[in-house]
Amino acid sequence: GIQVEQSPPDLILQEGANSTLRCNFSDSVNNLQWFHQNPWGQLINLFYIPSGTKQNGRLSATTVATERYSLLYISSSQTTDSGVYFCALSSGSARQLTFGSGTQLTVLP
Amino acid sequence: EAEVAQSPRYKITEKSQAVAFWCDPISGHATLYWYRQILGQGPELLVQFQDESVVDDSQLPKDRFSAERLKGVDSTLKIQPAELGDSAMYLCASSDFVTGELFFGEGSRLTVL
Repeated sequence: GIQVEQSPPDLILQEGANSTLRCNFSDSVNNLQWFHQNPWGQLINLFYIPSGTKQNGRLSATTVATERYSLLYISSSQTTDSGVYFCALSSGSARQLTFGSGTQLTVLP
Repeated sequence: EAEVAQSPRYKITEKSQAVAFWCDPISGHATLYWYRQILGQGPELLVQFQDESVVDDSQLPKDRFSAERLKGVDSTLKIQPAELGDSAMYLCASSDFVTGELFFGEGSRLTVL
């Protein structure tokens, strides 16, 4: 099956800093999503982005499908941005998502 | 905004007991998924339904786990008997037919003592 690799595994920032999270994958994708898992465990949809660039407030994402990677940008980070960020994708006829191992983000006040 | 509903949010049980989780997907979503997430890891698919039919249950431990979606709407995931290693978050998701975008419920956190 498709392989998903996220980096870095852990990231600690001071409030107000910017960050870039990376997701590499091993095959062409028909779905790629970024999620934020809140402290209560719920997966919050951030972006549906199998290709191209999207922005939502302080967050933006870019997927370069031909080079098999996606980036999540967080600008002017806030303490509420803390949590685990997951990249998840599907390939071929499969519609179920395969998840990466996540990036644990901690934003310090 | 439409949401995926799950219950219970938290469940504590003793090993060898039976436990069940319920999920109601977003209205109109024909595809429903159950994922399991062990602490510190990413979610892993247990079973995928298309309407009332199982599409993929290759990772479901069928000796103790069962899942059904009898009328093609809500779904139940059952574990019998529960084992210590089943302690995890059980996540239900449903997907939009056109894009395939998945939406997750709040999850059911299981602790087996």
